[in-house]
Amino acid sequence: EPEVTQTPSHQVTQMGQEVILRCVPISNHLYFYWYRQILGQKVEFLVSFYNNEISEKSEIFDDQFSVERPDGSNFTLKIRSTKLEDSAMYFCASSDDNSPLHFGNGTRLTVT
Amino acid sequence: AQSVTQLDSQVPVFEEAPVELRCNYSSSVSVYLFWYVQYPNQGLQLLLKYLSGSTLVKGINGFEAEFNKSQTSFHLRKPSVHISDTAEYFCAVSVSGGYNKLIFGAGTRLAVHP
Repeated sequence: EPEVTQTPSHQVTQMGQEVILRCVPISNHLYFYWYRQILGQKVEFLVSFYNNEISEKSEIFDDQFSVERPDGSNFTLKIRSTKLEDSAMYFCASSDDNSPLHFGNGTRLTVT
Repeated sequence: AQSVTQLDSQVPVFEEAPVELRCNYSSSVSVYLFWYVQYPNQGLQLLLKYLSGSTLVKGINGFEAEFNKSQTSFHLRKPSVHISDTAEYFCAVSVSGGYNKLIFGAGTRLAVHP
């Protein structure tokens, strides 16, 4: 079965640094998402992306965040200047018109 | 606004016993309902979904859930659990009755003991 793949599985960065989290969605999917889960808290929606633009974003997704689909396969989340509170598990997901979201295994981001 | 409440943060149970994980939601519009499972160090895997039609939905690994509109609930059940069912279970609702943005509950940790 096709999978959503995320790299790296664990990223450690210093506060103030930029990080890019990478995702390869399922190849025929058209909708892409990022969610995050702070340790011990709910899985939260960050952003959805369709047709090369953001279709919806949450209050969490402020100016320090950006998403991009730089080529036909990758979908990236960039955090420009990381803060301690950005430490979380970040999940990428994809779907097509008629399917539920398929999630990747996540990237654990640790900001020190 | 939509919200999801999972009433139990942890549910301990013995192997081969039945289990029910509770989920209540609130929404002013029709929604789709989902249960996802997260095994240790893995992503979220879809267990089952309710879109419309029959209120009893069967999913993978022997799980089922029943949609109760009057009680706004979508409880997950399994008649006999295995050690391998130990995981975190998340109930979720999608807004606007579509597959797009999901609102998750806080999760229930199911711990199956021998």
